[in-house]
Amino acid sequence: KNQVEQSPQSLIILEGKNCTLQCNYTVSPFSNLRWYKQDTGRGPVSLTIMTFSENTKSNGRYTATLDADTKQSSLHITASQLSDSASYICVVSAYSTLTFGKGTMLLVSP
Amino acid sequence: EPEVTQTPSHQVTQMGQEVILRCVPISNHLYFYWYRQILGQKVEFLVSFYNNEISEKSEIFDDQFSVERPDGSNFTLKIRSTKLEDSAMYFCASSGARTATYSNQPQHFGDGTRLSIL
Repeated sequence: KNQVEQSPQSLIILEGKNCTLQCNYTVSPFSNLRWYKQDTGRGPVSLTIMTFSENTKSNGRYTATLDADTKQSSLHITASQLSDSASYICVVSAYSTLTFGKGTMLLVSP
Repeated sequence: EPEVTQTPSHQVTQMGQEVILRCVPISNHLYFYWYRQILGQKVEFLVSFYNNEISEKSEIFDDQFSVERPDGSNFTLKIRSTKLEDSAMYFCASSGARTATYSNQPQHFGDGTRLSIL
């Protein structure tokens, strides 16, 4: 069964600090891995999409990495801002079907 | 920036009734999706739709559910004989043109319809 596991479940950091969120997956066949940001009460917003051949991809202060051999990904957030407070969801795609993780709830504290 | 819009934002329905959730995808997109998120749980795939037919569906998407693109702009999810456990946030998403790497295109999500079954 396709699964996506994320850690930690929740995280509190001080504004301006960096953090790294983790994602492990068992999804087959593998098309790509996505990171989404979901603000409370809103739909998910795409941050990055990485295919099998990509090791890293950046979007502003967000940098995602992918190790397809170990089936692990991370999302690094640099110089956090209060607006980064949200749920960050790792999503793995098998063709057009997406398997979602439960997300990491990030709270950035002033 | 074009957005996916969903209506209503909140729907309250009596158990056993039928409900139709509506979505307007981004206008030049060709792939459409429905997801649900039960409170406190992860987002779950329901169905994908392309070229006026279902392309993939999950185990959740049984005979109680149906999708339709009744005109050139709307995409609807119908839930028949609603049950208490159908209470969830339902998200519509769309993605772009069919290319060799269509599966690598981002899906754009609406802000969801919160469905409450009483």
